[in-house]
Amino acid sequence: DTGVSQNPRHKITKRGQNVTFRCDPISEHNRLYWYRQTLGQGPEFLTYFQNEAQLEKSRLLSDRFSAERPKGSFSTLEIQRTEQGDSAMYLCASSLPFGGQETQYFGPGTRLLVL
Amino acid sequence: AQSVTQLGSHVSVSEGALVLLRCNYSSSVPPYLFWYVQYPNQGLQLLLKYTTGATLVKGINGFEAEFKKSETSFHLTKPSAHMSDAAEYFCAVSSSSGSARQLTFGSGTQLTVLP
Repeated sequence: DTGVSQNPRHKITKRGQNVTFRCDPISEHNRLYWYRQTLGQGPEFLTYFQNEAQLEKSRLLSDRFSAERPKGSFSTLEIQRTEQGDSAMYLCASSLPFGGQETQYFGPGTRLLVL
Repeated sequence: AQSVTQLGSHVSVSEGALVLLRCNYSSSVPPYLFWYVQYPNQGLQLLLKYTTGATLVKGINGFEAEFKKSETSFHLTKPSAHMSDAAEYFCAVSSSSGSARQLTFGSGTQLTVLP
C-alpha cells in the first residue's frame, strides 16, 4: 500500500491557462474524492467518483472544472481558463467503504498558484 | 445539512501540558466524526474516528476524543503535548446514511507547542 499520490505537487500558471492534476488512489479503493483547501480554511468537497462514475458535484465546481476517472483507477481534475481565485491546495482522497463505514485517506495535495 | 465549528483557530500549550481542541457539529442524521492532522505543505492524516459503539475513541500518537451526543461535541485531547504535535488539526463530519460520504470540515485549529 503506497498511499494516495498526487502530481504535480506544485503548479504555477498564468491566468487564463488550463491546468490538469492527477490523483492515483490506494489500490482497489473504489471511491475517489476531490477537495479544495484555501489558506486558513478546511478542505471543501468538490466531487466524488464511485469507480468510474461521477456521482456528486459540489456547487463549488464551476463549468470551468472537469474531473474524470476513466477506468476507475486514477483521476484527473482539469481547470480551464484559470482565475486567481482558483489558487488553492487541491486534495484527493480515496476510500473503500465496508459495512456501511468508510475512511478517506488523503494524498499530499497539489498546490496551485495562479498569477 | 452538516456543519462543524472548531472553537479557537489558534491554541498554544506548553510541552507536557494537556491538549484540548474543541469541535462541535451539526447533523440531521447520526454523524460519523473524524479528526485529521495536517503538517505544513502536506495532506491530511487521520488521527481517529467515531462511527458507532464506544463513545471514547483512541487514535494515533496518544490522542483521543469523546463523542457527546447531548452536547453535539467531539473534542480532541492528549494528556501531554509533545513538540512534534505542532500542526493544524481539522474536525470533520460525514453522514451515516445514504451513499454520499463526503466530509464537511471545520476551519481548523493551529496547535503551537511551547518549549
